[in-house]
Amino acid sequence: QKEVEQNSGPLSVPEGAIASLNCTYSDRGSQSFFWYRQYSGKSPELIMSIYSNGDKEDGRFTAQLNKASQYVSLLIRDSQPSDSATYLCAVNKDTGNQFYFGTGTSLTVIP
Amino acid sequence: EPEVTQTPSHQVTQMGQEVILRCVPISNHLYFYWYRQILGQKVEFLVSFYNNEISEKSEIFDDQFSVERPDGSNFTLKIRSTKLEDSAMYFCASGAESYEQYFGPGTRLTVT
Repeated sequence: QKEVEQNSGPLSVPEGAIASLNCTYSDRGSQSFFWYRQYSGKSPELIMSIYSNGDKEDGRFTAQLNKASQYVSLLIRDSQPSDSATYLCAVNKDTGNQFYFGTGTSLTVIP
Repeated sequence: EPEVTQTPSHQVTQMGQEVILRCVPISNHLYFYWYRQILGQKVEFLVSFYNNEISEKSEIFDDQFSVERPDGSNFTLKIRSTKLEDSAMYFCASGAESYEQYFGPGTRLTVT
């Protein structure tokens, strides 16, 4: 069973629309959850972190966590062509400094 | 804005050779990590390092791998005898807290 699962996409949305990215994780003891953006050929860049159930908003980004369902999502409002990238979900277990990444969802925002 | 730096950006080596990948973490950070990403695949955790010792390591991080913080600023990953399957992008990351990570630009390792 994979630690972190994401739909690889590609996901295409028109400019200005809401992009919805989803992630599930297998370890119920996981405590910290992260969304990274990775442009092609570049390193991951942290967008959001979330630690407790509910929503967390930062600008156009909203992370949602449901620990009971072992589900994390990222909403991008007013999507821009510059948001076109691969979005990586990462999970940290309850102890230690070991992080598990999903395979990423490729997002294309069409002008 | 401070950032993690890595050298070299691209390393080509022959199978069986030793390579050392170098990273300079952000100066006040205490937590250091190495990851690899094989082309087209996911980012894979290798090792985390805190307080001058390894705090976690994955199954990938076998006896062929080692890490060092030789001088208080650099953080290195050594692969003793490279294999073809070690070809990947290697990312260093650092964080001031255990839950944050800022990634460097990566070193592309090609083993021929």
